[in-house]
Amino acid sequence: EAQVTQNPRYLITVTGKKLTVTCSQNMNHEYMSWYRQDPGLGLRQIYYSMNVEVTDKGDVPEGYKVSRKEKRNFPLILESPSPNQTSLYFCASSLTGGREKLFFGSGTQLSVL
Amino acid sequence: GNSVTQMEGPVTLSEEAFLTINCTYTATGYPSLFWYVQYPGEGLQLLLKATKADDKGSNKGFEATYRKETTSFHLEKGSVQVSDSAVYFCALTKAGTALIFGKGTTLSVSS
Repeated sequence: EAQVTQNPRYLITVTGKKLTVTCSQNMNHEYMSWYRQDPGLGLRQIYYSMNVEVTDKGDVPEGYKVSRKEKRNFPLILESPSPNQTSLYFCASSLTGGREKLFFGSGTQLSVL
Repeated sequence: GNSVTQMEGPVTLSEEAFLTINCTYTATGYPSLFWYVQYPGEGLQLLLKATKADDKGSNKGFEATYRKETTSFHLEKGSVQVSDSAVYFCALTKAGTALIFGKGTTLSVSS
């Protein structure tokens, strides 16, 4: 089954404790992206990747890192999480990042205390 | 820059009512337009899309027409069901740019 898999589904952590949210897709997609969803703000793009070893900042990249060492994986890293990073995070992928459909993961609800 | 504006929610309707969710966009050139839907506890999924002016996207009884003259892509459904309760996002993209989402409109349908 074609899918984007994120883990964990829920995460509670404390300020400053490094964490990684994993994202994997099994569709051989070149394009992958991370969004955060906040009430009243909709979805905002954090980082995206057009292909292996190619990553670019989205609209809200501060406090986040990503890597794309393999085509299927695109982890999101919070080196020193802060409470303002409490949010619902989504990973998404598409074939080339053009005008085609985006496939979304089920989301990761992160709470930073 | 490119942007999407959609009507504020929540929208509360009774089953079988007519639905309209307004969406307007700002973009140069010819973007592609999308409606995504997010059911409770799930990620977003594509509902419909249109890639050029006057195209009509449709799926599951929902429709939206790409109107370049009014820069709009309003979502409509003739008769909503309880199972349509979700958050609906209008979005646009142009070649080489990221998908830009509106803030989302929550639809609640009661029986």
